[in-house]
Amino acid sequence: EDQVTQSPEALRLQEGESSSLNCSYTVSGLRGLFWYRQDPGKGPEFLFTLYSAGEEKEKERLKATLTKKESFLHITAPKPEDSATYLCAVRVSGGGADGLTFGKGTHLIIQP
Amino acid sequence: NAGVTQTPKFQVLKTGQSMTLQCAQDMNHEYMSWYRQDPGMGLRLIHYSVGAGITDQGEVPNGYNVSRSTTEDFPLRLLSAAPSQTSVYFCASRSGGWETQYFGPGTRLLVL
Repeated sequence: EDQVTQSPEALRLQEGESSSLNCSYTVSGLRGLFWYRQDPGKGPEFLFTLYSAGEEKEKERLKATLTKKESFLHITAPKPEDSATYLCAVRVSGGGADGLTFGKGTHLIIQP
Repeated sequence: NAGVTQTPKFQVLKTGQSMTLQCAQDMNHEYMSWYRQDPGMGLRLIHYSVGAGITDQGEVPNGYNVSRSTTEDFPLRLLSAAPSQTSVYFCASRSGGWETQYFGPGTRLLVL
């Protein structure tokens, strides 16, 4: 069974305090790993897609990396507006439904 | 462009009642899907469509029906609501690439 596990469940940082969120996965045939941001009361918003181990992508203060077993979302010098829930999801091969398998998310709070 | 719109934003139902959650997109996207999000769980795929007239089941389809008569609309029907269907429902659409997937703002459903 495909599994996506995110840690920590919640993280509270001071403004400017860099850290990383983890997404570990156990899937049969990874066809893509996705990071989304979700603000309270809103739908997820796409951030990054990673397809192969060693791949990295950056956007402002966020950087996503991928290994064969996990992905990290590094946040550098975060600001209060980076507070949100960050979701990791995978797309797997082998047929089945046309959808993503999501982790439970990491709730990130950046305190001024 | 309104993107993906969902109505209603919030609904309260009694057990056994039926209702339709509406989803529309104005981006001419072929692919549309419905997810539900429950506390402590990741988003789970209910049903999806790869084009007008074509629908299929996702991970948790029981108790829900869908149809896709037009490219723009993808309604989700609850035939006989149950308390276990209390959740936040998100509709999503995309063109070919997963990077183009957009989520709607969600419908919060409470079944008493």
